[in-house]
Amino acid sequence: EAGVAQSPRYKIIEKRQSVAFWCNPISGHATLYWYQQILGQGPKLLIQFQNNGVVDDSQLPKDRFSAERLKGVDSTLKIQPAKLEDSAVYLCASSVQRNTEAFFGQGTRLTVV
Amino acid sequence: SQQGEEDPQALSIQEGENATMNCSYKTSINNLQWYRQNSGRGLVHLILIRSNEREKHSGRLRVTLDTSKKSSSLLITASRAADTASYFCATGELSGGSYIPTFGRGTSLIVHP
Repeated sequence: EAGVAQSPRYKIIEKRQSVAFWCNPISGHATLYWYQQILGQGPKLLIQFQNNGVVDDSQLPKDRFSAERLKGVDSTLKIQPAKLEDSAVYLCASSVQRNTEAFFGQGTRLTVV
Repeated sequence: SQQGEEDPQALSIQEGENATMNCSYKTSINNLQWYRQNSGRGLVHLILIRSNEREKHSGRLRVTLDTSKKSSSLLITASRAADTASYFCATGELSGGSYIPTFGRGTSLIVHP
């Protein structure tokens, strides 16, 4: 079974630039999560989708972050404009349903300089 | 906000010894999950324990849950060098009818060969 695919693996941008991350969840998984993990900390949930609807985005900085999940499958997370403090690993995860185990992708390591 | 908090923050043991790490949380949960993260494989799900369960086993892993104390423990028996990783608990918090998975800061485990 193919896992959660994310791209790119690494990205370096200057502050105030924009960046987008892509995630392809495991086939058939209804729930998709985006997490931000800053070095030395645990993952912080940014947004949760159930199919193509947003379940929770209370910790998403909506002035600069946006996410969508078209057709309830792939998802993109965008940051515009980026700040230095956005440097982190962005993890995508999916699960069959909301309260079941989540499978994580390898993440995208973003460095903002 | 991070609801689950792991203890200790760091643990260093010899191969063959047992490792115990704890997780405390604050609000009512639907379930609690333990994950492992190392640089090679990203975040991997280890075990899920539901709020109506008290103990669960998986290979060398044993997880307990005490909902009255809002705490859980993960025991790794006969540890191996390959168990070196960060371990996170994730609590399935119920908020307004939604399921919000929230990670702690993690326990860094080093197993010396």
